[in-house]
Amino acid sequence: NAGVTQTPKFRVLKTGQSMTLLCAQDMNHEYMYWYRQDPGMGLRLIHYSVGEGTTAKGEVPDGYNVSRLKKQNFLLGLESAAPSQTSVYFCASSRQGTQPQHFGDGTRLSIL
Amino acid sequence: RKEVEQDPGPFNVPEGATVAFNCTYSNSASQSFFWYRQDCRKEPKLLMSVYSSGNEDGRFTAQLNRASQYISLLIRDSKLSDSATYLCVVNMGTNAGKSTFGDGTTLTVKP
Repeated sequence: NAGVTQTPKFRVLKTGQSMTLLCAQDMNHEYMYWYRQDPGMGLRLIHYSVGEGTTAKGEVPDGYNVSRLKKQNFLLGLESAAPSQTSVYFCASSRQGTQPQHFGDGTRLSIL
Repeated sequence: RKEVEQDPGPFNVPEGATVAFNCTYSNSASQSFFWYRQDCRKEPKLLMSVYSSGNEDGRFTAQLNRASQYISLLIRDSKLSDSATYLCVVNMGTNAGKSTFGDGTTLTVKP
């Protein structure tokens, strides 16, 4: 049972480069989320989706874009990476918005 | 004021101790409450949901106080393996999609 799978696990980028983080879930969950977590800090919601084809902004959406073309996948894009985006990125999913979220094991992203 | 506030700690306790964490929330319309556990550099994992009547899972007891707008987590007979950061999570219950995570309380259990 894979649950929530994030790829890649680690990545180093140069300032200005672009990349896409992939999140896949096999639990048929409607809701999916992208968070970032900086050292010693809590989770901050970047974007989320309440169903296939829908996305919404979270607390810190600037510099990121997302897409949910298929129910099982939620993509997070960085168009022009900046050092301030160095962080650990977690994807999560839940059956409904009121129910517990299941997390992937994170993507560690460093931007030089 | 943050929507969800936790005492960051750290809480340093000996094995076998009982320790309690509180978490306060600002929105009185909040409906769903959870405690998560996060180990260093790992993903958060659901520890337990918090029900209105309170609930227990082994050594862990969760309570909800709607009047004072806080939830609590009690850990009895602490084990070394309980060392982690405990996150409080509050959800509006409207299916709007967003849950609010506290910044976490760090617990270290020492031999």
